[in-house]
Amino acid sequence: GQQVQQSPSSLVLQEGENAELQCNFSSTATQLQWFYQSPGGSLVSLLSNPSGTKHTGRLTSTTVTKERRSSLHISSSQTTDSGTYLCAPSGSWQLIFGSGTQLTVMP
Amino acid sequence: EAAVTQSPRSKVAVTGGKVTLSCHQTNNHDYMYWYRQDTGHGLRLIHYSYVADSTEKGDIPDGYKASRPSQENFSLILELASLSQTAVYFCASSDVRGGAETLYFGSGTRLTVL
Repeated sequence: GQQVQQSPSSLVLQEGENAELQCNFSSTATQLQWFYQSPGGSLVSLLSNPSGTKHTGRLTSTTVTKERRSSLHISSSQTTDSGTYLCAPSGSWQLIFGSGTQLTVMP
Repeated sequence: EAAVTQSPRSKVAVTGGKVTLSCHQTNNHDYMYWYRQDTGHGLRLIHYSYVADSTEKGDIPDGYKASRPSQENFSLILELASLSQTAVYFCASSDVRGGAETLYFGSGTRLTVL
């Protein structure tokens, strides 16, 4: 089945720095979703990017389908960006979640 | 505003006891899901449902039952709770099967089995 590897597992930045999060997966994906999990545990969908480059606000995702990888770039990080970022590709309908990158942004 | 509400927010149960986790959505979504998250891990699908009175197994259904009495409500039942079922449980809904872009999560239920 689909295996998802996210790196780094944790990342500490100073406010204003940029973050680069990586997601590698083992099988072809027709869907790829990035989620944010707050320190309190709540989950929200950030963006969907099965291929190419997609921007929303300070977030940019680039997915290279053939290479089975996706990245999430967060520009000018803020303390409120702290939390865990989960990648979830899908080759059929079921999303398979990675274990996430825990991001801490220091003031 | 799309909403998925879970109850309780946290629960402590004894080994061998029965536990019921409840989920209510006001999104008018057909699909509902129960996921489990263990510390430092991603979410794993336990059960899902696409219509009232019907449920389907996900990747890790053993030890869990699900019930969908109406479109809005979806419950997860642990008939005989075990230590290994200590985790955070998330309910979610979507308008299409696996619809990632319309996937809305509840706030989670932290279950501790002693």
